[in-house]
Amino acid sequence: AQSVTQLGSHVSVSEGALVLLRCNYSSSVPPYLFWYVQYPNQGLQLLLKYTTGATLVKGINGFEAEFKKSETSFHLTKPSAHMSDAAEYFCAVSDDGNQFYFGTGTSLTVIP
Amino acid sequence: DTAVSQTPKYLVTQMGNDKSIKCEQNLGHDTMYWYKQDSKKFLKIMFSYNNKELIINETVPNRFSPKSPDKAHLNLHINSLELGDSAVYFCASSQSAGTNEQFFGPGTRLTVL
Repeated sequence: AQSVTQLGSHVSVSEGALVLLRCNYSSSVPPYLFWYVQYPNQGLQLLLKYTTGATLVKGINGFEAEFKKSETSFHLTKPSAHMSDAAEYFCAVSDDGNQFYFGTGTSLTVIP
Repeated sequence: DTAVSQTPKYLVTQMGNDKSIKCEQNLGHDTMYWYKQDSKKFLKIMFSYNNKELIINETVPNRFSPKSPDKAHLNLHINSLELGDSAVYFCASSQSAGTNEQFFGPGTRLTVL
């Protein structure tokens, strides 16, 4: 069975500071990994995904994530936070591409 | 030209009522999903349809019944609503079942009184 753990339900960073949102997963097979962002009162939007190939994945809005199999992690980073990055971020895992399991989300606050 | 649309956006109703939420996608996708997001933001898949056929049916009370009249629509009907059904329900679609990006609708906030 798949599961996703997002450490830190709330993360606050100063504008311009590094953003690091943590995601660990459990999977019995090589997983497919995703990060989604949810802005207030909106649906989820894909930031980036890892399926195969290069383990460092670049997404939209300057975000990137690195798949580390040995650590079963897929942490999301952005070098410099912007006010518009304030949102809820969800990590998701799938082992077959059909069934997706989402983490409980991390709320990112950006302090001016 | 909204990609995935849901109606209604808000739904407030009494316990015991029956209600439906409609979802439509104009992306030409084959696969559609229903998710439930609870008050703690936990997002859980409920159903998935591929070309109008049910492919995922999670442990959901049988009061919830999805219906897909065509591959562009996936409606969710809920019978005998309970307080615990209060949540935000998201519809999503993807090009096909697999690792494709899922496009989410704006959500329907259901409040059961």
